[in-house]
Amino acid sequence: EVQLVESGGGLVQPGGSLRLSCAASGFTVSSNYMSWVRQAPGKGLEWVSVIYSGGSTYYADSVKGRFTISRDNSKNTLYLQMNSLRAEDTAVYYCARESRSGITGYWGQGTLVTVSS
Amino acid sequence: QLVLTQSPSASASLGASVKLTCTLSSGHSSYAIAWHQQQPEKGPRYLMKLNSDGSHSKGDGIPDRFSGSSSGAERYLTISSLQSEDEADYYCQTWGTGMVFGGGTKLTVL
Repeated sequence: EVQLVESGGGLVQPGGSLRLSCAASGFTVSSNYMSWVRQAPGKGLEWVSVIYSGGSTYYADSVKGRFTISRDNSKNTLYLQMNSLRAEDTAVYYCARESRSGITGYWGQGTLVTVSS
Repeated sequence: QLVLTQSPSASASLGASVKLTCTLSSGHSSYAIAWHQQQPEKGPRYLMKLNSDGSHSKGDGIPDRFSGSSSGAERYLTISSLQSEDEADYYCQTWGTGMVFGGGTKLTVL
């Protein structure tokens, strides 16, 4: 059974840092396109970052230079390092296995990040 | 620029059918998309990947009531025999370097 379990969210002050984790089971993270997607309160889904199976990484303009996506193959886990956090980064963050290559997509349950003083 | 356009809202009666539309921007009519459902206070759920020829592959446990179709730059999600639990936000999504989302359609089941 495929599962994605996010963790690491919480309350952080503006300018602070957080690292989100997404532990995967039932498939191999490094063989898939894996993304982080966020949803601000009352808003729609916003793509944040992707790591390709080959290791290439891409970011939304709103987080470029501040966020870093990575994976640990030994732990089958996806990460999102978030630095220089702003109030507008407040959102529920979801990890997702993409379906672009034709395989079934999956979502985690999300982790809430609140940036506030 | 790759953009997906969805109507903000739709409604249909319990037991009826509804067809939601997602429109790809000019020059992108060959793109595949995915549909996702988000019930109130829950995370998104993957429904299906829908190709430009109308072929689609559904996610785990998605009922036969959910189907997809395509025409030109338009991608459709049809839900038949509407149930109360189908009341949700529905997002279409495609792929550039990353995922590109439509604004979502809020479906109300009357």
